[in-house]
Amino acid sequence: EPEVTQTPSHQVTQMGQEVILRCVPISNHLYFYWYRQILGQKVEFLVSFYNNEISEKSEIFDDQFSVERPDGSNFTLKIRSTKLEDSAMYFCASSPTSGSLSGELFFGEGSRLTVL
Amino acid sequence: GENVEQHPSTLSVQEGDSAVIKCTYSDSASNYFPWYKQELGKRPQLIIDIRSNVGEKKDQRIAVTLNKTAKHFSLHITETQPEDSAVYFCAAPGSQAGTALIFGKGTTLSVSS
Repeated sequence: EPEVTQTPSHQVTQMGQEVILRCVPISNHLYFYWYRQILGQKVEFLVSFYNNEISEKSEIFDDQFSVERPDGSNFTLKIRSTKLEDSAMYFCASSPTSGSLSGELFFGEGSRLTVL
Repeated sequence: GENVEQHPSTLSVQEGDSAVIKCTYSDSASNYFPWYKQELGKRPQLIIDIRSNVGEKKDQRIAVTLNKTAKHFSLHITETQPEDSAVYFCAAPGSQAGTALIFGKGTTLSVSS
């Protein structure tokens, strides 16, 4: 069964450093997402991406965040200058259709980011 | 944008009992309401979903009901088992024109044997 894959599974970084989290969505999916989950809290929407551009972003997704689909398979989340409060599990997800069109989200296993 | 409220935040039941988790949403145009289960340290996974043109959907021990007038939907788990212990999240589309799902705060269900 096809799966969303994410790397790295865990990254430890120093405050102020840049981090890139990588995702390979399911190959025939059209919509890609990043969510984050601070330990013990809810799954928070960051950004959605469709047709090679951001289609929606939350207020969490400020100027220090960016997303890119550098080739036909990878989907990356970059955090430019990490802060302590960026420590969380970051989930990539993909969907064949959008959330508003009844699209199931298929989540990756997550990348745990620890900022020291 | 959509606001999704979920209750209760924790729920403890005995094995075999039923469990009910309720969510309310704010956008009357929302048309899709999934429920995700997240086991400890794992990714969220869809367990059941409902679209706005039906009021109830069942899948074995799991059911979801939708009340569009009151803007709430509920997850019902019957004959609970210890393996049902997990965090359950409801979700709804963030906006009619948007593409994202917005999640509730989650309910930690504990089933004791």
